Amino acid sequence: GQQVMQIPQYQHVQEGEDFTTYCNSSTTLSNIQWYKQRPGGHPVFLIQLVKSGEVKKQKRLTFQFGEAKKNSSLHITATQTTDVGTYFCAANNNDMRFGAGTRLTVKP
Amino acid sequence: DAGVTQSPTHLIKTRGQHVTLRCSPISGHKSVSWYQQVLGQGPQFIFQYYEKEERGRGNFPDRFSARQFPNYSSELNVNALLLGDSALYLCASSLSGTTRGRGYTFGSGTRLTVV
Repeated sequence: GQQVMQIPQYQHVQEGEDFTTYCNSSTTLSNIQWYKQRPGGHPVFLIQLVKSGEVKKQKRLTFQFGEAKKNSSLHITATQTTDVGTYFCAANNNDMRFGAGTRLTVKP
Repeated sequence: DAGVTQSPTHLIKTRGQHVTLRCSPISGHKSVSWYQQVLGQGPQFIFQYYEKEERGRGNFPDRFSARQFPNYSSELNVNALLLGDSALYLCASSLSGTTRGRGYTFGSGTRLTVV
């Protein structure tokens, strides 16, 4: 299955600062999904990107899919304490393979 | 409409024992995937089932097995438990396994501790 690498592993920000996590693959991805897992919770689906160069927004969250469909990013503008959690990208072919995640902590 | 339900929520087993974890997908969903999540890591793919057929298998030993029933519920079985099998086991439900933009819906998981 597809393997995806995520960076950074951890990110600690002050509330109001921006946050970005990156997802990279050595092979072309058919699509990519993003999930959020709150501490003690389970992954919750955020979005799927399919098209080359696609950009989607959900309020303060902006998701991008690279032109070559080998990388993706999630950017959060003006983080809030409710953004705390681990953000995973997942490559979807016949089955879903998750990256290791970026753990975001936000200092009030 | 109920979400994905997993049972039990917590479980403590001894090394060498066997365990069965259960999952009921969202009504109407025909695909179930199982993941193992060790603390601090991403979910690792174990199995995917669709219409009672195994559609995919991750890099796990033969001690791990699963099946899907006619009502689309699923069981994950692990034999000869090792300490390293301690993890959160997640079940994910989807309509067909290819998600079609809707993503997987995860259950709350079963926390397995092997002592």
